[in-house]
Amino acid sequence: DAKTTQPNSMESNEEEPVHLPCNHSTISGTDYIHWYRQLPSQGPEYVIHGLTSNVNNRMASLAIAEDRKSSTLILHRATLRDAAVYYCILRRYSGSARQLTFGSGTQLTVLP
Amino acid sequence: DAGVIQSPRHEVTEMGQEVTLRCKPISGHNSLFWYRQTMMRGLELLIYFNNNVPIDDSGMPEDRFSAKMPNASFSTLKIQPSEPRDSAVYFCASSRRGDNQPQHFGDGTRLSIL
Repeated sequence: DAKTTQPNSMESNEEEPVHLPCNHSTISGTDYIHWYRQLPSQGPEYVIHGLTSNVNNRMASLAIAEDRKSSTLILHRATLRDAAVYYCILRRYSGSARQLTFGSGTQLTVLP
Repeated sequence: DAGVIQSPRHEVTEMGQEVTLRCKPISGHNSLFWYRQTMMRGLELLIYFNNNVPIDDSGMPEDRFSAKMPNASFSTLKIQPSEPRDSAVYFCASSRRGDNQPQHFGDGTRLSIL
């Protein structure tokens, strides 16, 4: 799977929007962009995924650049519970389930 | 709905002992994954199964590690003999078949080998 680049850490104030960037300049046409997060002392948790179009769900929004070389995970109103490590992962379509390849992610700190 | 259930949550044992970690995936999920997380190496895949069949075990560190999935509702990861460098948090995850099916992780087993 292609590689992603994320900032090591970011800070946000509670109840403000957070934009978490991810660069993936070597993405291929069949790579889906997935986001997971890991809260302290828990296993990773699925957040959202997309291919080309922007995506929304109850947890977050995913904005994908037109050339697909970057994407942004948007938390519309950060809460203290959103403090976690956020992982941006590319998964190439292969027709069957395969592993997730985790990078180092972005540590998000939410300030009260 | 019950999520992925792992046991034990914590395990402390002495070097050389056999360690068995257990995982019950979500009912109806066809794929099961074992990951290991350390500060040095982050989260890395050890092995995964589709329909109880091991597909990729290239992440298994060495012959001391073995994993089985005797049926769709149970898997084990065994380390024998254990070494201090095996200390880590071990996660089990399951998903439905398909590339874009989310993986659901358990809360992990924190393993300490003295």
